[in-house]
Amino acid sequence: EIVLTQSPGTLSLSPGERATLSCRASQSVSSSYLAWYQQKPGQAPRLLIYGASSRATGIPDRFSGSGSGTDFTLTISRLEPEDFAVYYCQQYGSSPPARGTFGQGTKVEIK
Amino acid sequence: EVQLVESGGGLVQPGGSLRLSCAASGFTFSSYSMNWVRQAPGKGLEWVSYISSSSSTIYYADSVKGRFTISRDNAKNSLYLQMNSLRDEDTAVYYCARDRPGSGLLFDYWGQGTLVTVSS
Repeated sequence: EIVLTQSPGTLSLSPGERATLSCRASQSVSSSYLAWYQQKPGQAPRLLIYGASSRATGIPDRFSGSGSGTDFTLTISRLEPEDFAVYYCQQYGSSPPARGTFGQGTKVEIK
Repeated sequence: EVQLVESGGGLVQPGGSLRLSCAASGFTFSSYSMNWVRQAPGKGLEWVSYISSSSSTIYYADSVKGRFTISRDNAKNSLYLQMNSLRDEDTAVYYCARDRPGSGLLFDYWGQGTLVTVSS
């Protein structure tokens, strides 16, 4: 089973700053089947990025994803007030043993 | 507009049972695979179960295998999760999530969730 480790656990930044979130996999993620989700308090998660770098429908272009193999990055170019949230990476794929594994999350908080 | 609305959560004693439902609208439900994903209080996300559009393929997380059963009724645009032999560690918000076509366990739309509390 692939284990995803996100860092840092918490990122303290100010609006307008750039946020860089990391997700490292214990084994290579095939075909870049890596996604990122955003979750705000009391809300359901929202899909941001899939295929490591493709933005989901309606996601602003300040969100970008990159990486391959075992190292992936979510970048928020300029933080807006609504971007302060918890971000999860996830490995997906249709065949076992892919089990939709999530990372433990990175909280982006206002400094 | 895609909508997923979960129901059926509540307080149940350890060893008890509960059935969750998810009502779908705004898309052709019968064409999409569906999932349940849960989140324990203050914790991260855990995928629970997957069912293909025709119910021909079903997966479970090891943590619930043998205790939970996923099913769907395409005529009623509804997804279900029968939870038996519930444990304290099953306490969580349970989300219904649509599978992005062709992706497998990639969740493009989520419901707002229903809280299940297992406690004596």
